[in-house]
Amino acid sequence: GQQLNQSPQSMFIQEGEDVSMNCTSSSIFNTWLWYKQDPGEGPVLLIALYKAGELTSNGRLTAQFGITRKDSFLNISASIPSDVGIYFCAGQRSNFGNEKLTFGTGTRLTIIP
Amino acid sequence: DSGVTQTPKHLITATGQRVTLRCSPRSGDLSVYWYQQSLDQGLQFLIQYYNGEERAKGNILERFSAQQFPDLHSELNLSSLELGDSALYFCASSLTSGRAGETQYFGPGTRLLVL
Repeated sequence: GQQLNQSPQSMFIQEGEDVSMNCTSSSIFNTWLWYKQDPGEGPVLLIALYKAGELTSNGRLTAQFGITRKDSFLNISASIPSDVGIYFCAGQRSNFGNEKLTFGTGTRLTIIP
Repeated sequence: DSGVTQTPKHLITATGQRVTLRCSPRSGDLSVYWYQQSLDQGLQFLIQYYNGEERAKGNILERFSAQQFPDLHSELNLSSLELGDSALYFCASSLTSGRAGETQYFGPGTRLLVL
C-alpha cells in the first residue's frame, strides 16, 4: 500500500539540539497529522494540521502544512531525552470523513549522551 | 494511557494457524480501526468499523477478517498464518466515523510472531 516518504529515516543528535523532519507525497492531502511512537507503545497524536500553510505548535514542537498540500514538516526545539522515539506523519485525503490515514515510513530519533 | 485496550499483548503461533486479536475502544468511541506494522515499517491501514458496520477497507488480506460487536469491541481474525504475518497489530478508536482530522487513539498493540 501507499506510504508517505519521510526523511530522514534516522537522526542521531545531542540533547539540546533542534530537530527537523519532513514528509512528502506525490498526491494531495487535506489533513496532516504527526504521531510519536515510543518503544512497545502505540502511536500518540502530537499535532494535527487542517489547512494549507498552517503552522501549529505544541510546546517545543512545531509543524507546518505545506502550501502545495503535498508535504508537511515537524520541528522539535531544544531536544530532551524523552523526545526519543519514532515520529510518523500521516495524511488524510478527504475533508468529508470516512477516509483512512496513510502513514509515513517514520523517522527514528536517538539522542546521543 | 489512551483508553484503548488490546489483548493479548504477545502471541506466538505456528504457520497455518488461526488467531484472534481483541480490541476495546475508548468509552464512547464508535469507530475502531486496525493497522499492521511490520518490522521497520510504517503503519498500514487494514480495516475500519463504525458502530458495528464495516466503514472502510485498506490493505487487508482475504485471510484476515474483522468484526465489531454490539458492545463496540472488535476482533481481528488472522487465518492460515504465514511467516510474513509476523508484525505488530494496532487497534485505534475515534469518536465518530472518522471525519477529517478526527483523532484516532491507538492501543498498545499485539505483537504476533509466526514461527
